[in-house]
Amino acid sequence: QKEVEQDPGPLSVPEGAIVSLNCTYSNSAFQYFMWYRQYSRKGPELLMYTYSSGNKEDGRFTAQVDKSSKYISLFIRDSQPSDSATYLCAMRSGNNRLAFGKGNQVVVIP
Amino acid sequence: GAVVSQHPSWVICKSGTSVKIECRSLDFQATTMFWYRQFPKQSLMLMATSNEGSKATYEQGVEKDKFLINHASLTLSTLTVTSAHPEDSSFYICSAQEDSTDTQYFGPGTRLTVL
Repeated sequence: QKEVEQDPGPLSVPEGAIVSLNCTYSNSAFQYFMWYRQYSRKGPELLMYTYSSGNKEDGRFTAQVDKSSKYISLFIRDSQPSDSATYLCAMRSGNNRLAFGKGNQVVVIP
Repeated sequence: GAVVSQHPSWVICKSGTSVKIECRSLDFQATTMFWYRQFPKQSLMLMATSNEGSKATYEQGVEKDKFLINHASLTLSTLTVTSAHPEDSSFYICSAQEDSTDTQYFGPGTRLTVL
């Protein structure tokens, strides 16, 4: 079993819809949870960073962590064409090594 | 905000030559930097962890003599791909871990094409 599972299937949504992405993990030592956005041929950009169970909001983005279920989610409200990118979940334990999901390609259709 | 730069952004080289890629944290100190490789439509694969002033730690299956890493200062790490071959063609991305927050910030990546 991989440390981090993220269904890599592409996701197409109409503009204005809510985008819902999620990852599961198996390593209970993970303490820090991140979501990165990666545009084509660019490096990943940190979107959200959290270390506790619950929700964290930042503008149109909400990150959700459920440590008891080992499940994290990212929600994008009022999606825009500029949100079209690959979204990677990542997590780490205290040793600082990041474990990444495979990434979800999101396409927001105008 | 925290900015990480990479140079060059792209490079084309002949098989058998060596290529050096630089990773710099522009406005913060990073004792630890990471080097990743990403193939098309794949996630990032960690190659090695680079620590300032000490030897890099390589992931299983990554040849340390082929991918030379030097982390000579708190803001600069370099990756040298020695005797490059076409199968080394990939997107190489570094990240720098900010010392004060432990947050990793990624560089924009370097696309290497070996002919």
